Amino acid sequence: SYELTQPLSVSVALGQTARIPCAGNNIGSKNVHWYQQRPGQAPVLVIYDDANRPSGIPERFSGSNPGNAATLTISRAQAGDEADYYCHVWDNSAWVFGGGTKLTVL
Amino acid sequence: QVQLVESGGGVVQPGGSLRLSCAASGFNFNRFAIHWVRQAPGKGLEWVAYISYDGSSEYYADSVKGRFTFSRDNSKDTLFLQMNSLRSEDTAVYYCAREGNILTGYLDFWGRGTLVTVSS
Repeated sequence: SYELTQPLSVSVALGQTARIPCAGNNIGSKNVHWYQQRPGQAPVLVIYDDANRPSGIPERFSGSNPGNAATLTISRAQAGDEADYYCHVWDNSAWVFGGGTKLTVL
Repeated sequence: QVQLVESGGGVVQPGGSLRLSCAASGFNFNRFAIHWVRQAPGKGLEWVAYISYDGSSEYYADSVKGRFTFSRDNSKDTLFLQMNSLRSEDTAVYYCAREGNILTGYLDFWGRGTLVTVSS
């Protein structure tokens, strides 16, 4: 079965740029989606189809998937961005999530 | 606005059964596929099951295949997850989520979840 690998944690200084990678076999051939989950809340879609932002998501959130690994980038990080972030793909009639990355804003 | 509201969670003994519901509103329900995703306490997200917009196709994670059944009633904008032979490892918050695009599978709206606890 397909697997997605994310680092357990990423730290970023307030106002700086955070990058969260998501690795998987031939991930460049897949559409990668990203979700933000704050403690005690349901996940929220922040990036879909590699690089698209849903309505209401700040432009500070961006995504890329050049082929070796997909990346969620959060520019000008704010305290409110502290959350768990999950990547997600569809593969052969199964939907797969990465293990999640806890983002800490210092 | 799009809303998904889960219900039916609770405490059940190992080997028991539970039926979760997901009530949808604010969109053309019979045009969208829906998923169940669960999250064990302190753990990450795990995809559980999928049902197509018309209920003609279902897919399940290996961990629940043969024990869980996903169905929908498009006349009532409601979905059901019948869970049988429950195990302690099924303990989790269960979310229903709408699939925003049939080709790429992203989940654009989620419910708040319902907690299932399997314990003796």
